[in-house]
Amino acid sequence: QSVLTQPPSVSGAPGQRVTISCTGSSSNIGADYDVHWYQQLPGTAPKLLIYGNGNRPSGVPDRFSGSKSGTSASLAITGLQAEDEADYYCQSYDSSLRSSVFGTGTKVTVL
Amino acid sequence: EVQLVQSGAEVKKPGESLKISCKGSGYSFSSYWIGWVRQMPGKGLEWMGIIYPGDSDTRYSPSFQGQVTISADKSISTAYLQWSSLKASDTAMYYCARQSTTTRPFDIWGQGTMVTVSS
Repeated sequence: QSVLTQPPSVSGAPGQRVTISCTGSSSNIGADYDVHWYQQLPGTAPKLLIYGNGNRPSGVPDRFSGSKSGTSASLAITGLQAEDEADYYCQSYDSSLRSSVFGTGTKVTVL
Repeated sequence: EVQLVQSGAEVKKPGESLKISCKGSGYSFSSYWIGWVRQMPGKGLEWMGIIYPGDSDTRYSPSFQGQVTISADKSISTAYLQWSSLKASDTAMYYCARQSTTTRPFDIWGQGTMVTVSS
């Protein structure tokens, strides 16, 4: 069972802004461990989208942004495009489990 | 180019053993952790465990401890995930991925290995 909770799905029309929350606890996000985000397009391996809470790897559009506060983090997608339709996962480190942990995952649908 | 290339899909029967591989190239394989991630059909990502090929330091998720074995051969830049007795519930896609430290992101992912266990 995941220790990071995400909404199962979010949706938006092209051009709109959507946000995905990632809620943790005092042993992971609240313990000041970084949050990273991944995009998984259908039938493909996950791809790093945001690292260190709010940093984008080279090649990731600036439509994607991340933030963290307290025991939660968020991923925002502005100017939603059809190609953004995918599953998104947050990830952090948990000091109680002494392991990396993934979020439950969120499916983004472009209406 | 930095990449991780995994072995091909497997179809096995319950009770059989299996070892799948993940070969790194384009970087110093010994200097990065390699993690394994399970994705059951239609489900999310689950962190299984991780190994540092430089000294074989290995850590497991409590959920997978004793169920699988993670190893690495740094001489051939390859990490492994193995089962001694497969179950139908092991049917899943398995990904390997690279981390610079255990709290950093998985920046490079393998293409995945589909394991199907069926009688």
